[in-house]
Amino acid sequence: GEDVEQSLFLSVREGDSSVINCTYTDSSSTYLYWYKQEPGAGLQLLTYIFSNMDMKQDQRLTVLLNKKDKHLSLRIADTQTGDSAIYFCAESMGNDYKLSFGAGTTVTVRA
Amino acid sequence: KAGVTQTPRYLIKTRGQQVTLSCSPISGHRSVSWYQQTPGQGLQFLFEYFSETQRNKGNFPGRFSGRQFSNSRSEMNVSTLELGDSALYLCASSRTSGGLDTQYFGPGTRLTVL
Repeated sequence: GEDVEQSLFLSVREGDSSVINCTYTDSSSTYLYWYKQEPGAGLQLLTYIFSNMDMKQDQRLTVLLNKKDKHLSLRIADTQTGDSAIYFCAESMGNDYKLSFGAGTTVTVRA
Repeated sequence: KAGVTQTPRYLIKTRGQQVTLSCSPISGHRSVSWYQQTPGQGLQFLFEYFSETQRNKGNFPGRFSGRQFSNSRSEMNVSTLELGDSALYLCASSRTSGGLDTQYFGPGTRLTVL
Protein backbone atom coordinates (compact mmCIF):
# COMPACT_ATOMS: atom_id res chain seq x y z
CA GLY A 1 0.00 0.00 0.00
CA GLU A 2 2.60 2.62 -0.92
CA ASP A 3 -0.13 5.02 -2.03
CA VAL A 4 -1.98 4.95 1.29
CA GLU A 5 -0.33 6.15 4.47
CA GLN A 6 -1.35 5.77 8.10
CA SER A 7 0.26 6.44 11.43
CA LEU A 8 1.36 3.14 12.96
CA PHE A 9 0.23 3.41 16.57
CA LEU A 10 -2.47 5.04 18.66
CA SER A 11 -3.03 4.70 22.39
CA VAL A 12 -6.33 5.86 23.84
CA ARG A 13 -8.02 5.71 27.22
CA GLU A 14 -11.23 3.72 27.54
CA GLY A 15 -14.24 5.99 27.09
CA ASP A 16 -12.34 8.59 25.09
CA SER A 17 -12.67 9.13 21.35
CA SER A 18 -10.12 7.66 18.94
CA VAL A 19 -9.21 9.33 15.69
CA ILE A 20 -7.29 7.36 13.09
CA ASN A 21 -5.95 9.24 10.10
CA CYS A 22 -5.10 8.17 6.59
CA THR A 23 -3.84 9.93 3.48
CA TYR A 24 -4.14 8.63 -0.03
CA THR A 25 -2.69 9.83 -3.29
CA ASP A 26 -5.04 8.71 -6.04
CA SER A 27 -7.68 11.34 -6.69
CA SER A 28 -9.63 8.87 -8.82
CA SER A 29 -10.39 6.67 -5.83
CA THR A 30 -13.99 5.56 -5.92
CA TYR A 31 -14.53 4.09 -2.49
CA LEU A 32 -12.53 4.46 0.71
CA TYR A 33 -12.81 1.81 3.38
CA TRP A 34 -11.97 1.15 6.99
CA TYR A 35 -11.26 -2.42 8.02
CA LYS A 36 -10.52 -3.81 11.47
CA GLN A 37 -8.25 -6.78 12.14
CA GLU A 38 -8.08 -8.48 15.51
CA PRO A 39 -5.20 -10.81 16.40
CA GLY A 40 -5.27 -14.01 14.37
CA ALA A 41 -8.32 -12.95 12.41
CA GLY A 42 -9.17 -11.73 8.92
CA LEU A 43 -10.35 -8.25 8.02
CA GLN A 44 -13.70 -7.02 9.23
CA LEU A 45 -15.32 -4.28 7.19
CA LEU A 46 -16.21 -1.42 9.53
CA THR A 47 -17.47 1.23 7.19
CA TYR A 48 -16.87 2.84 3.82
CA ILE A 49 -17.47 6.14 2.13
CA PHE A 50 -18.05 6.97 -1.50
CA SER A 51 -15.71 9.57 -2.89
CA ASN A 52 -18.46 12.13 -3.48
CA MET A 53 -19.36 12.21 0.22
CA ASP A 54 -17.77 14.29 2.96
CA MET A 55 -18.98 12.47 6.02
CA LYS A 56 -20.65 9.26 7.04
CA GLN A 57 -21.83 8.30 10.51
CA ASP A 58 -22.62 4.77 11.63
CA GLN A 59 -23.34 4.37 15.35
CA ARG A 60 -20.02 5.02 17.15
CA LEU A 61 -18.11 5.45 13.90
CA THR A 62 -17.72 8.69 11.97
CA VAL A 63 -15.79 8.87 8.72
CA LEU A 64 -14.61 12.21 7.39
CA LEU A 65 -13.27 12.65 3.88
CA ASN A 66 -11.35 15.71 2.74
CA LYS A 67 -10.90 15.23 -0.99
CA LYS A 68 -8.85 18.37 -1.45
CA ASP A 69 -6.19 17.15 0.97
CA LYS A 70 -6.80 13.45 0.17
CA HIS A 71 -7.30 12.85 3.86
CA LEU A 72 -9.56 10.26 5.43
CA SER A 73 -10.24 9.83 9.13
CA LEU A 74 -12.13 7.39 11.32
CA ARG A 75 -13.46 8.56 14.67
CA ILE A 76 -14.54 5.96 17.22
CA ALA A 77 -16.64 7.45 19.99
CA ASP A 78 -16.57 6.02 23.52
CA THR A 79 -13.68 3.68 22.74
CA GLN A 80 -13.92 0.28 24.43
CA THR A 81 -11.33 -2.42 25.14
CA GLY A 82 -12.89 -4.47 22.34
CA ASP A 83 -11.84 -1.75 19.91
CA SER A 84 -8.18 -2.68 20.41
CA ALA A 85 -7.08 -3.93 17.00
CA ILE A 86 -5.29 -2.92 13.81
CA TYR A 87 -7.26 -0.56 11.60
CA PHE A 88 -6.61 -0.40 7.89
CA CYS A 89 -7.77 2.22 5.47
CA ALA A 90 -8.05 1.16 1.85
CA GLU A 91 -8.97 2.70 -1.46
CA SER A 92 -10.39 1.25 -4.63
CA MET A 93 -10.73 2.73 -8.07
CA GLY A 94 -13.62 2.04 -10.37
CA ASN A 95 -11.56 0.63 -13.23
CA ASP A 96 -8.98 -1.17 -11.13
CA TYR A 97 -10.67 -3.53 -8.82
CA LYS A 98 -7.91 -4.18 -6.32
CA LEU A 99 -7.90 -2.60 -2.90
CA SER A 100 -4.78 -0.66 -1.92
CA PHE A 101 -4.20 -0.76 1.82
CA GLY A 102 -2.31 1.36 4.26
CA ALA A 103 0.13 -0.28 6.66
CA GLY A 104 -2.46 -0.29 9.45
CA THR A 105 -2.78 1.62 12.71
CA THR A 106 -2.49 -0.43 15.90
CA VAL A 107 -4.97 0.97 18.41
CA THR A 108 -4.42 0.12 22.05
CA VAL A 109 -7.17 0.94 24.52
CA ARG A 110 -5.97 1.36 28.09
CA ALA A 111 -8.17 1.27 31.17
CA LYS B 1 -25.95 -15.52 5.66
CA ALA B 2 -22.65 -17.40 6.04
CA GLY B 3 -19.48 -15.38 5.57
CA VAL B 4 -16.44 -16.06 3.45
CA THR B 5 -14.80 -19.34 4.41
CA GLN B 6 -11.22 -20.36 3.79
CA THR B 7 -9.59 -23.74 4.14
CA PRO B 8 -7.32 -24.81 5.60
CA ARG B 9 -6.84 -22.23 8.34
CA TYR B 10 -3.23 -23.22 8.99
CA LEU B 11 -0.67 -24.92 6.81
CA ILE B 12 2.98 -25.81 7.20
CA LYS B 13 5.04 -26.66 4.12
CA THR B 14 8.71 -26.93 3.24
CA ARG B 15 10.63 -25.06 0.57
CA GLY B 16 10.08 -26.36 -2.92
CA GLN B 17 6.67 -27.83 -2.22
CA GLN B 18 3.44 -26.51 -3.66
CA VAL B 19 0.25 -25.58 -1.88
CA THR B 20 -3.41 -25.04 -2.76
CA LEU B 21 -5.68 -22.80 -0.72
CA SER B 22 -9.44 -22.69 -1.03
CA CYS B 23 -12.00 -19.92 -0.65
CA SER B 24 -15.79 -20.13 -0.64
CA PRO B 25 -17.44 -16.73 -1.14
CA ILE B 26 -20.61 -15.45 0.41
CA SER B 27 -23.63 -16.93 -1.32
CA GLY B 28 -24.54 -14.84 -4.35
CA HIS B 29 -21.11 -13.22 -4.61
CA ARG B 30 -19.41 -13.79 -7.93
CA SER B 31 -16.11 -11.99 -7.42
CA VAL B 32 -13.25 -13.41 -5.38
CA SER B 33 -10.01 -11.58 -4.68
CA TRP B 34 -6.87 -12.84 -2.99
CA TYR B 35 -4.45 -10.85 -0.84
CA GLN B 36 -1.17 -11.68 0.85
CA GLN B 37 -0.43 -10.17 4.25
CA THR B 38 3.09 -10.12 5.66
CA PRO B 39 4.65 -8.00 8.41
CA GLY B 40 7.11 -6.47 5.97
CA GLN B 41 4.95 -5.79 2.93
CA GLY B 42 1.53 -5.41 4.52
CA LEU B 43 -1.52 -6.31 2.49
CA GLN B 44 -0.87 -6.86 -1.18
CA PHE B 45 -3.30 -7.73 -3.91
CA LEU B 46 -2.68 -11.03 -5.70
CA PHE B 47 -5.54 -11.42 -8.19
CA GLU B 48 -9.27 -11.20 -8.69
CA TYR B 49 -11.65 -13.63 -10.37
CA PHE B 50 -15.12 -12.94 -11.64
CA SER B 51 -17.28 -15.48 -13.45
CA GLU B 52 -14.34 -17.88 -13.71
CA THR B 53 -12.13 -15.28 -15.41
CA GLN B 54 -9.11 -13.54 -13.95
CA ARG B 55 -9.94 -9.83 -14.14
CA ASN B 56 -6.96 -8.25 -12.42
CA LYS B 57 -3.54 -9.35 -11.25
CA GLY B 58 -1.03 -7.91 -8.81
CA ASN B 59 2.74 -7.90 -9.03
CA PHE B 60 3.52 -11.44 -8.00
CA PRO B 61 5.63 -14.04 -9.81
CA GLY B 62 4.07 -16.72 -11.96
CA ARG B 63 4.43 -19.23 -9.12
CA PHE B 64 1.24 -17.71 -7.78
CA SER B 65 -1.83 -18.76 -9.71
CA GLY B 66 -5.52 -19.14 -9.14
CA ARG B 67 -8.78 -20.23 -10.61
CA GLN B 68 -12.48 -19.92 -10.01
CA PHE B 69 -15.13 -22.54 -10.45
CA SER B 70 -18.65 -22.21 -11.78
CA ASN B 71 -20.03 -22.07 -8.22
CA SER B 72 -17.73 -19.05 -7.58
CA ARG B 73 -15.46 -20.97 -5.22
CA SER B 74 -11.84 -20.13 -5.83
CA GLU B 75 -8.48 -21.74 -5.27
CA MET B 76 -5.04 -20.26 -5.31
CA ASN B 77 -1.90 -22.27 -5.86
CA VAL B 78 1.68 -21.46 -5.01
CA SER B 79 4.34 -23.66 -6.58
CA THR B 80 7.99 -24.07 -5.58
CA LEU B 81 7.45 -22.49 -2.20
CA GLU B 82 10.02 -20.07 -0.82
CA LEU B 83 10.56 -18.97 2.77
CA GLY B 84 9.25 -15.52 1.84
CA ASP B 85 5.89 -16.99 0.91
CA SER B 86 5.11 -17.43 4.60
CA ALA B 87 2.13 -15.16 5.12
CA LEU B 88 -1.53 -14.86 5.90
CA TYR B 89 -3.48 -15.33 2.68
CA LEU B 90 -6.81 -13.58 2.70
CA CYS B 91 -9.67 -14.08 0.34
CA ALA B 92 -12.43 -11.51 -0.19
CA SER B 93 -15.72 -11.77 -2.03
CA SER B 94 -18.13 -9.24 -3.45
CA ARG B 95 -21.28 -9.35 -5.52
CA THR B 96 -19.79 -7.74 -8.58
CA SER B 97 -16.45 -6.79 -10.02
CA GLY B 98 -14.99 -3.47 -11.01
CA GLY B 99 -14.24 -1.65 -7.74
CA LEU B 100 -17.79 -0.50 -7.09
CA ASP B 101 -18.79 -3.13 -4.61
CA THR B 102 -17.73 -3.83 -1.05
CA GLN B 103 -15.34 -6.68 -0.41
CA TYR B 104 -15.88 -8.99 2.57
CA PHE B 105 -12.92 -10.92 3.87
CA GLY B 106 -12.51 -14.44 5.16
CA PRO B 107 -10.43 -15.37 8.24
CA GLY B 108 -7.40 -16.23 6.14
CA THR B 109 -5.05 -19.17 5.75
CA ARG B 110 -1.81 -18.90 7.68
CA LEU B 111 0.94 -20.49 5.57
CA THR B 112 4.30 -21.22 7.12
CA VAL B 113 7.15 -22.31 4.85
CA LEU B 114 10.07 -24.03 6.58
